[in-house]
Amino acid sequence: DIQMTQSPSSLSASVGDRVTITCRASQGIRNDLGWYQQKPGKAPKRLIYAASSLQSGVPSRFSGSGSGTEFTLTISSLQPEDFATYYCLQHNSYRWTFGQGTKVEIK
Amino acid sequence: QVQLVQSGAEVKKPGASVKVSCKASGYTFTSYDINWVRQATGQGLEWMGWMNPNSGNTGYAQKFQGRVTMTRNTSISTAYMELSSLRSEDTAVYYCARVSYSSGWYPHFDYWGQGTLVTVSS
Repeated sequence: DIQMTQSPSSLSASVGDRVTITCRASQGIRNDLGWYQQKPGKAPKRLIYAASSLQSGVPSRFSGSGSGTEFTLTISSLQPEDFATYYCLQHNSYRWTFGQGTKVEIK
Repeated sequence: QVQLVQSGAEVKKPGASVKVSCKASGYTFTSYDINWVRQATGQGLEWMGWMNPNSGNTGYAQKFQGRVTMTRNTSISTAYMELSSLRSEDTAVYYCARVSYSSGWYPHFDYWGQGTLVTVSS
């Protein structure tokens, strides 16, 4: 299966900070990647698809980039409601894999 | 409205099997793939596999190959995930999720079940 290495595993940031999360694929996956946000006790919610396309209804402070093996999720100005855990998900092969997750905490 | 309602919590002994159900309503069951994802307490999401309810075709993560079986009963719009040879590391919340392709090739887990806690303990 394709392995997704996500970093960092956690970070502390303040409201208004710019935050970047990275996922690296063990082999090229074109742009077959999405980013999900999960809050405690809730189902994950998709933020980005096709590596860089914003899901309808998601604030524009979220953006994604990358192709091939390296991908990033950026939150341009962290808001209180953005404190959550973020996961990348690759769907290039018929076996999908999540990254290990990045927990974004309040500094 | 679309709903996925899962079966209740289970407690199993090591070596046993568990079968979790996921009843769909509010849409045509055979029109959307169902995936299964699990999450151990305080841990990340782990993709287990997919099933096409129309054809019954399945695909499983390498880690679970040989231990997991995903099936369905279209007459009652219900998907099932059975995991065998349980060990303590399988203790987790198991979720079913519907997959839509409204954004073209790119899958979207758009609806989730409420989760089923499976505890494996002697």
